[in-house]
Amino acid sequence: QKEVEQDPGPLSVPEGAIVSLNCTYSNSAFQYFMWYRQYSRKGPELLMYTYSSGNKEDGRFTAQVDKSSKYISLFIRDSQPSDSATYLCAMRGDNQGGKLIFGQGTELSVKP
Amino acid sequence: GAGVSQTPSNKVTEKGKYVELRCDPISGHTALYWYRQSLGQGPEFLIYFQGTGAADDSGLPNDRFFAVRPEGSVSTLKIQRTERGDSAVYLCASSLFSGNTIYFGEGSWLTVV
Repeated sequence: QKEVEQDPGPLSVPEGAIVSLNCTYSNSAFQYFMWYRQYSRKGPELLMYTYSSGNKEDGRFTAQVDKSSKYISLFIRDSQPSDSATYLCAMRGDNQGGKLIFGQGTELSVKP
Repeated sequence: GAGVSQTPSNKVTEKGKYVELRCDPISGHTALYWYRQSLGQGPEFLIYFQGTGAADDSGLPNDRFFAVRPEGSVSTLKIQRTERGDSAVYLCASSLFSGNTIYFGEGSWLTVV
């Protein structure tokens, strides 16, 4: 079993929909949680960064972390065709420097 | 430069050949990372440098893989006796210090035929 599980999709939604992306993990030592967006043939781009449990909002994006359930989510409101990309969750422990553990990525398509 | 720069962007090589992939991190960033991403998968950690030294190389798959960062800036990932299973995107990333926000380059696409 992988340390981080993420539904690969693909997920297709109409423009304006609310999108929910999720990851589960098994390592209780993870403290830092990130969401990256990756367009085709590009490198991952950091979207959201959360430490420990709680919510964080940035424009149309909201990240949630529930450490008790080992479950993290990314919500995208009013989705746009430009949001079409692969979304990767990533996480690490306190003393793991830059050693991020990534999920498989969820491919999202937002149809006009 | 403004972002992490990787060269070459694409490399096709024959099985058994030696390959070098170069990474130029964001100016002033002390930490540098190498990840490998196979098709349909998330990036997998290979190695990270703090300054000139490899702080964690636990992700290197075997002794055919080696990375250096001799002056604490540019890094080279070296793959000996390439195998078809080495075909992947090799992503380099950097951060101001270890544990800060990590910025990725666009990757070097390696195909071993």
